[in-house]
Parts: sequence; C-alpha cells; structure tokens
Amino acid sequence: EPEVTQTPSHQVTQMGQEVILRCVPISNHLYFYWYRQILGQKVEFLVSFYNNEISEKSEIFDDQFSVERPDGSNFTLKIRSTKLEDSAMYFCATSTDTQYFGPGTRLTVL
Amino acid sequence: AQSVAQPEDQVNVAEGNPLTVKCTYSVSGNPYLFWYVQYPNRGLQFLLKYITGDNLVKGSYGFEAEFNKSQTSFHLKKPSALVSDSALYFCAVRDIYNAGNNRKLIWGLGTSLAVNP
Repeated sequence: EPEVTQTPSHQVTQMGQEVILRCVPISNHLYFYWYRQILGQKVEFLVSFYNNEISEKSEIFDDQFSVERPDGSNFTLKIRSTKLEDSAMYFCATSTDTQYFGPGTRLTVL
Repeated sequence: AQSVAQPEDQVNVAEGNPLTVKCTYSVSGNPYLFWYVQYPNRGLQFLLKYITGDNLVKGSYGFEAEFNKSQTSFHLKKPSALVSDSALYFCAVRDIYNAGNNRKLIWGLGTSLAVNP
C-alpha cells in the first residue's frame, strides 16, 4: 500500500538555524499539506498546496515558513530561522480526497 | 466557526468490551467527518470517514462510526476492544469554506484510549 514518507524522522537544531523537512507524497496525489502537533496539544494546520501554489495558510505560517516542490516529487517545508516554540511534530499529508499522513518529523529546537 | 469537540481526554475499557469514543462537531451545512488514530511515536492513520449516505460508516481494524445529524455527533465505536487498540484517537472535520478538494482538516484535541487486559 502506498505511503507518505517523511525525512528526517528527528531533527535537532539550534535556535536561529534553518531546517528543511521533506515529504514524499503518494504518487497520484495532487493536494499537499503540512500540520504540526506540539507535544500534548492538538494538531494544527499550517499550509495547503496545490498546483505549485499555496492554497491556504494559517496564522502560524508566517514569513519564516515556506513550502515548495523543488523536483516535482518531494514536498518540503522550510523554517528559515527556528525558534524554541517551533519544537513540535511536523506531519505532511497528501490527498486526492482523503488525507493520508506521513510518520512525522520530530523537530527539537535548542 | 467550525470546530470539533472530543469531550473525553481519556477512555478506559476492558478488553472484549465495546468501546465508544465521542466526537461532536459544529459546522454549517453538511460535514465531512474523519477519524484518525495515532499510535505512540507514529503518524496519523486514517480510520474512516463520513461524506454522505449511510449514517453508520465502517472503517479499518473493526471500527465504525455513527453520524447523527440531529445531535451533531460522530462517535467512534468498536464492538469488542483489543489491547492493541490503545492509542490516541482524533476526530476531524473538513473545512467547508474553501473550494475544491484542497481543504484543511480541523481537529479535535484527541482522546486517549486505554484498553486493559
């Protein structure tokens, strides 16, 4: 069964550093999403992406965040200058209709 | 505003007993409702969804959910719980305000299910 994959599984970084989280969607999926889950809290929507454009973004998704599909397969989330409060699990989801999630990247900002 | 509520932080049930994990929603119009499960240190796995049609929806691992429009509920159920069902369960509703299929999910806070042997 096709799966969404994410790399790395765990990223530790210093505050102020840039991180790139990667997602490989299920091959025929056209809609892409990033969500995050701070430990013990609810899942929060960050951004949705379709046809090489952002469809919607939340207030969390400020200028420090960006997304792209650099090679037509990977879907990446970049955080330019990480803050302590960016520490969370980041989930990629892809869909044609139902959203299927990757296993997540645990980001720890020190 | 659209929202999902899971009124119970934790549900405890004995193995072999039926289980119910509650979810209520607040959405104008017809909701698209979902249940996902999260095992420890794992991603979110799709269980089932309600779009339209029969109010009783069957999903993965023997789970089912009943859509009740009058009570605005979408409770997750299983006739006989397994210890391996112990996990975090999330109810979600698809945002209705954006066009097309590229709509975000709005999530409940999650319910931790513990099935005791």
